[in-house]
Amino acid sequence: LAKTTQPISMDSYEGQEVNITCSHNNIATNDYITWYQQFPSQGPRFIIQGYKTKVTNEVASLFIPADRKSSTLSLPRVSLSDTAVYYCLVGDKESGANNLFFGTGTRLTVIP
Amino acid sequence: DAGVIQSPRHEVTEMGQEVTLRCKPISGHNSLFWYRQTMMRGLELLIYFNNNVPIDDSGMPEDRFSAKMPNASFSTLKIQPSEPRDSAVYFCASTLDVGGAGANVLTFGAGSRLTVL
Repeated sequence: LAKTTQPISMDSYEGQEVNITCSHNNIATNDYITWYQQFPSQGPRFIIQGYKTKVTNEVASLFIPADRKSSTLSLPRVSLSDTAVYYCLVGDKESGANNLFFGTGTRLTVIP
Repeated sequence: DAGVIQSPRHEVTEMGQEVTLRCKPISGHNSLFWYRQTMMRGLELLIYFNNNVPIDDSGMPEDRFSAKMPNASFSTLKIQPSEPRDSAVYFCASTLDVGGAGANVLTFGAGSRLTVL
């Protein structure tokens, strides 16, 4: 199981860029990195997925260094509505349930 | 598409009663997952199906829990008999797994909040 380590919590002011880093030192060659967002009383929602370098979509960017032992989710100019728990998952389909393992996540609180 | 639909949204029952949670995955998705979330243990994968066949049920807590997927558009998670420690939010998720490289991207339902008194 490719274990991930994230900060338990983070605070940020509105309008700032937020970077959440996830460590995955034993990531396997075929593993992908997937991030989810969960609001209170809702199920997790897919944000972004990547394998290497940088991936960007309309919601966030994902930065993955060459060694792939960590990844950083970047949220540009956060608003109060970005307050949520963010989960980093590592694995691929061949690893079965391993790519479906949610750790403790990072609780982001956006402050007015 | 209406997304992953779960019912009931809330259920309160007494210890010893049977509980049945239901899930309708997104049409066309071929994989379905059941998770349980509590404050103490976070999100736990209980079981997942691929093409209606259970693939991994190692997360099912004990024999009191059972899950079925009789067809591609319906799944149930049953707890019999229920206990107070089963109180949690149960999520169902689905995805279209076409094989190949990459990791599954799941679409979650809104969850079923179970309280066992």
